[in-house]
This record gives sequence, C-alpha cells and structure tokens, in this order.
Amino acid sequence: DAGVIQSPRHEVTEMGQEVTLRCKPISGHDYLFWYRQTMMRGLELLIYFNNNVPIDDSGMPEDRFSAKMPNASFSTLKIQPSEPRDSAVYFCASSDRPPGSGNSPLHFGNGTRLTVT
Amino acid sequence: KQEVTQIPAALSVPEGENLVLNCSFTDSAIYNLQWFRQDPGKGLTSLLLIQSSQREQTSGRLNASLDKSSGRSTLYIAASQPGDSATYLCAVRNSGGSNYKLTFGKGTLLTVNP
Repeated sequence: DAGVIQSPRHEVTEMGQEVTLRCKPISGHDYLFWYRQTMMRGLELLIYFNNNVPIDDSGMPEDRFSAKMPNASFSTLKIQPSEPRDSAVYFCASSDRPPGSGNSPLHFGNGTRLTVT
Repeated sequence: KQEVTQIPAALSVPEGENLVLNCSFTDSAIYNLQWFRQDPGKGLTSLLLIQSSQREQTSGRLNASLDKSSGRSTLYIAASQPGDSATYLCAVRNSGGSNYKLTFGKGTLLTVNP
C-alpha cells in the first residue's frame, strides 16, 4: 500500500485566499484524523472521522476551517479565508481500528506545509 | 487538561553513545503512551506503544519505559547511529470517553554525529 497520501506537499497563498488540502487514507481504514503541527503548539487534533462521518470537530480552530469526507477514500480540509496564523504543517492520519482499542497505530501522511503571506 | 512535556528540546550526541529521551505528562489517567519518530518533511512513524498496565516495551535498540504514577516515560536508544537522527515525539491517549485523542509533546530533536 502507498500509505496515506496528502496533496499538495507545499502550499503558499496570500491572506484571504481559499486553501484546500487533500488526503487519501489507506484503503480499508475507517478512521481518519486531521492534525496541525506548529512550533508553538506542537501537534493538535483538528477533526476525526469514522466511516466518513465527522465524530469530533472540537479541535477546529474557527469557522474558517471545514473538513469533509465525501467517500471512504478521500477527505478535504478547507480554510476560507486563510490568515497568516494558519501557517503550519497539516497532517492526515488513518487507522483500521477503533481509536483507543489496544494497539491502534495511526498511519500518518507526509503532511502539507502551508504558508499564508 | 492533559499536558505532555519533552526534555530536552534538542540533543546532539556522538555516534555509538547510549541516550535517554524524557517525556512527562500531567494526568496519570492514561490508556497508553506512544513514542513516534518524525523525519524532516515526513509524517510520524510509530516506534513503541506501552499500555497503561505495562512498564516497558522493547524494539531492537529502543526501550521505552512507563511510570504512570509519576507521569513519566523514557525512550532509551542504545548504540546510537547517524540514522537515528530525527525528532522523537511522545503522545498519550487518555482513558475515558475521548480516548481517541492523542496529546503530543513538542518533541526532542536528536542529532547523532558520525
């Protein structure tokens, strides 16, 4: 398997523009997570899906952020409008087991580095 | 609210040295603790997972210990190699309803010099 695939790898945009980040989880993985990583705050969970349904979006920082999972093989994270403080690395991760059930390893993508100027 | 701290933030050692990375957490009601490795420009790779009932886990040259009561974990790397250079993160999963969430430390950047 190719692993979790994220695109683009790098995104540079101007403040106010819409940004869409994409993720393809590992086939058969029913659990999908979006994380954000910054120097100041480390890794933070933004939202979590199970069987394409958002379970907990309490980590989404503001209404400018939205995430969808239209099918089992694709998810998007959208920021509209983007702001400089959104600059970070955004990771998508997937798992084939219920979170918290023993050894439930997360498989991470390589991330999207977002820079908002 | 669970908080995870990793010390030191950065560590540089000569090749062959044994080393210890530290992780502490404020809420001892955890389900498990994981150590991850992150290479530059890459995602995280899980190294070791310790259940709350366990004291340690070993994989090759890596040994992770857990002292839940004191809120501490260590990652021991034996005979370090330049290929071990990476950022090492620990993460705890709390017990209870929201136990799908991992709380991460900010990591220790390890450099092993040849």
